[in-house]
Amino acid sequence: AQSVTQLGSHVSVSEGALVLLRCNYSSSVPPYLFWYVQYPNQGLQLLLKYTSAATLVKGINGFEAEFKKSETSFHLTKPSAHMSDAAEYFCAVSDVSQGNLIFGKGTKLSVKP
Amino acid sequence: EAQVTQNPRYLITVTGKKLTVTCSQNMNHEYMSWYRQDPGLGLRQIYYSMNVEVTDKGDVPEGYKVSRKEKRNFPLILESPSPNQTSLYFCASSKGLVGTETQYFGPGTRLLVL
Repeated sequence: AQSVTQLGSHVSVSEGALVLLRCNYSSSVPPYLFWYVQYPNQGLQLLLKYTSAATLVKGINGFEAEFKKSETSFHLTKPSAHMSDAAEYFCAVSDVSQGNLIFGKGTKLSVKP
Repeated sequence: EAQVTQNPRYLITVTGKKLTVTCSQNMNHEYMSWYRQDPGLGLRQIYYSMNVEVTDKGDVPEGYKVSRKEKRNFPLILESPSPNQTSLYFCASSKGLVGTETQYFGPGTRLLVL
């Protein structure tokens, strides 16, 4: 069975600092991996996805994530945090046979001025 | 504009009173799904549908029903709501089986069952 673990339910950074949100997955088959963002009182929006092409994936709003098979990780990074990045971020896994996404529990990002 | 819409956005009801949350998408997507979001638990899938008249259980289907009579609509039905169904509900759709496909989410329906 697939699963996703997001380390840290809350992460706080200063504006301009590096953002690192951690995601580890478990899958017995090659996975497809996603990061979604949820702004307050809104639905989820796709940030980026890994579908077995390039291991470094660039997404919207300056975010990127690197797929590391040896570490079963798909951490999300952004070089310089902006106040508008404050939101909850969800990592999710699927595979070619799955009819659903398995979500992590989410990481709430706070950005301090 | 391509979108997934849900109605109502907010709903307060009492235990046992049947309710329906509607979901509609205008992207001609085959795959639709319902999730519930609870603090500290992330999103969990309730039901999904691969196409018209084809539905299947997700991870937490107890207490819910769905139907898919038309491609664009996928209503979620709570026949006898209970307080443990108080949650934030999201409908989502995608072009095909999830795999590599991006799921598009509705704005959410916040349900309170008293």
